[in-house]
Amino acid sequence: AQTVTQSQPEMSVQEAETVTLSCTYDTSESDYYLFWYKQPPSRQIILVIRQEAYKQQNATENRFSVNFQKAAKSFSLKISDSQLGDAAMYFCAYSVQGGSEKLVFGKGTKLTVNP
Amino acid sequence: GAVVSQHPSRVICKSGTSVKIECRSLDFQATTMFWYRQFPKQSLMLMATSNEGSKATYEQGVEKDKFLINHASLTLSTLTVTSAHPEDSSFYICSALGTVTWPYEQYFGPGTRLTVT
Repeated sequence: AQTVTQSQPEMSVQEAETVTLSCTYDTSESDYYLFWYKQPPSRQIILVIRQEAYKQQNATENRFSVNFQKAAKSFSLKISDSQLGDAAMYFCAYSVQGGSEKLVFGKGTKLTVNP
Repeated sequence: GAVVSQHPSRVICKSGTSVKIECRSLDFQATTMFWYRQFPKQSLMLMATSNEGSKATYEQGVEKDKFLINHASLTLSTLTVTSAHPEDSSFYICSALGTVTWPYEQYFGPGTRLTVT
């Protein structure tokens, strides 16, 4: 069974600084998708970034980028120039077929951004 | 675009009664919707996958007779918690699968807080 592990229950960062959230996963599949989702205090879950396992190039979305290490089964999220609005719970997730199959979520990392 | 709504946002019901939660895709059609449960300060656990016009597929350990799912149209899925008990109190979140572009993406509703007294 696929599992997703986030070893950092909480992280904090100063505004404008950079922070990296860690995620590891376990799967026997060769083709899959990895995601980072954000759940702010409003509880609305939003997709931050997605990585297809067959792509060697790390995904980037503005201030958000990932470090995807397929052999190590590691998928970390880097947030640059952190903003107060980045404060949220961040979930790492895995899916076999993009979003069309079930998402397996990690336990989440609560990110606090200090002014 | 790709907005998913849930109704109600918050509901309180008495033990033994049933409560229905609606999930709607407002600006797209979704043949597949998912229902998740989130306990306080915990992650999301998939309860079931709902496909329009067919029976839902439940995850292991989820009581299908207790959590009734109906996906009657391409924009609406409902979750009915039957004979609710305090242990059913939780945050329920739905998502709808957008299939316009590949890879497909799940769009999440804002969630429903259920409290059973």
